[in-house]
Amino acid sequence: AQSVTQLDSQVPVFEEAPVELRCNYSSSVSVYLFWYVQYPNQGLQLLLKYLSGSTLVESINGFEAEFNKSQTSFHLRKPSVHISDTAEYFCAVSASGGSYIPTFGRGTSLIVHP
Amino acid sequence: SQTIHQWPATLVQPVGSPLSLECTVEGTSNPNLYWYRQAAGRGLQLLFYSVGIGQISSEVPQNLSASRPQDRQFILSSKKLLLSDSGFYLCAWSPQYTEAFFGQGTRLTVV
Repeated sequence: AQSVTQLDSQVPVFEEAPVELRCNYSSSVSVYLFWYVQYPNQGLQLLLKYLSGSTLVESINGFEAEFNKSQTSFHLRKPSVHISDTAEYFCAVSASGGSYIPTFGRGTSLIVHP
Repeated sequence: SQTIHQWPATLVQPVGSPLSLECTVEGTSNPNLYWYRQAAGRGLQLLFYSVGIGQISSEVPQNLSASRPQDRQFILSSKKLLLSDSGFYLCAWSPQYTEAFFGQGTRLTVV
């Protein structure tokens, strides 16, 4: 079984400042890792994913995450945030090579202040 | 391209009334299908998942049931709603071994 821990329930930050949302996972097998974003009263949208290959993955809107196997982490970063990045962010993990049943963290609310 | 439709967007139902939420996927075949419930500050709770027609796995014992009458249709039901059934319900699908794609969600308020 897998589990995901998002260490911060809420992260307030000023516009144009850098941000890091932390995610740690636990699994006895190899994993796939994902970050999703959720805007109010909407479903989740995939932000970026790690399946294999390069441990640094990027999204089209400036977010990046790095898979660190030794620290079992997949932290999400952005060097300069915008007001529009205010949303709920979910980290998720699934076991590679088996049935895909994603396990989600509790979410981190990113609040960007002007 | 693949799309997922979930309806209704909002629903207010009295305690003891039945429930039927529907989700359909277009543009793919034999997807894995999921129902999640989201409560404030508690992340996503997996309720049911299905890997094929008529194949339903329940993750949490509760007042709800799910059915998959067709390959790309997933229905969440209840015979008698409880106050505790209120929440934001999300349907999702995934191809094998990759990411999940979510519907827009249904906000259910039981009064």
